Amino acid sequence: DAMVIQNPRYQVTQFGKPVTLSCSQTLNHNVMYWYQQKSSQAPKLLFHYYDKDFNNEADTPDNFQSRRPNTSFCFLDIRSPGLGDAAMYLCATSRGRGGTEAFFGQGTRLTVV
Amino acid sequence: TQLLEQSPQFLSIQEGENLTVYCNSSSVFSSLQWYRQEPGEGPVLLVTVVTGGEVKKLKRLTFQFGDARKDSSLHITAAQTGDTGLYLCAGEINFGNEKLTFGTGTRLTIIP
Repeated sequence: DAMVIQNPRYQVTQFGKPVTLSCSQTLNHNVMYWYQQKSSQAPKLLFHYYDKDFNNEADTPDNFQSRRPNTSFCFLDIRSPGLGDAAMYLCATSRGRGGTEAFFGQGTRLTVV
Repeated sequence: TQLLEQSPQFLSIQEGENLTVYCNSSSVFSSLQWYRQEPGEGPVLLVTVVTGGEVKKLKRLTFQFGDARKDSSLHITAAQTGDTGLYLCAGEINFGNEKLTFGTGTRLTIIP
């Protein structure tokens, strides 16, 4: 059974049109991460939550926002997608506090047209 | 500055050969993990190493954590085509801050 579920698997959006990607988990993990991964590159951390505590990476553009309304769900909002934002977006969870083994969803492939 | 450097970046070898992938850092990690990612999928955890000098085996894969907890290696014996994928090391620098940083990745291709 899938433990970290991302929707949709594929998303096409227009340049400048806001888009939201979603992630849900059944693991009851404290930590949820959002990573951006471009072709043939390693995942790049955008931000993460420990419970409701939000931790933004210093180099994450303001164009990227996140919400975590409860333990199970986390959203990535891209306010004005540019062509350079086309990528695979990966959501992951971990227990945190020394248990950082991460469980990933299948990712959402974002295309900007 | 990339905290975790992996080498080689790309590796293509024949089925049946052995290989080693390296993950190096100037920082000390409280724990380090190895993941494998297949195209179009999220990374999947292979192993976690915690203690300096630790060696873990997963079938044909052998993982080692450096004594100083700054580096790690992954050795694959008798590679199979199913081993093809992107191998990523990832680590937590400061115990308890939950931040998981990924290495630069090694793309491995096993040729039949």
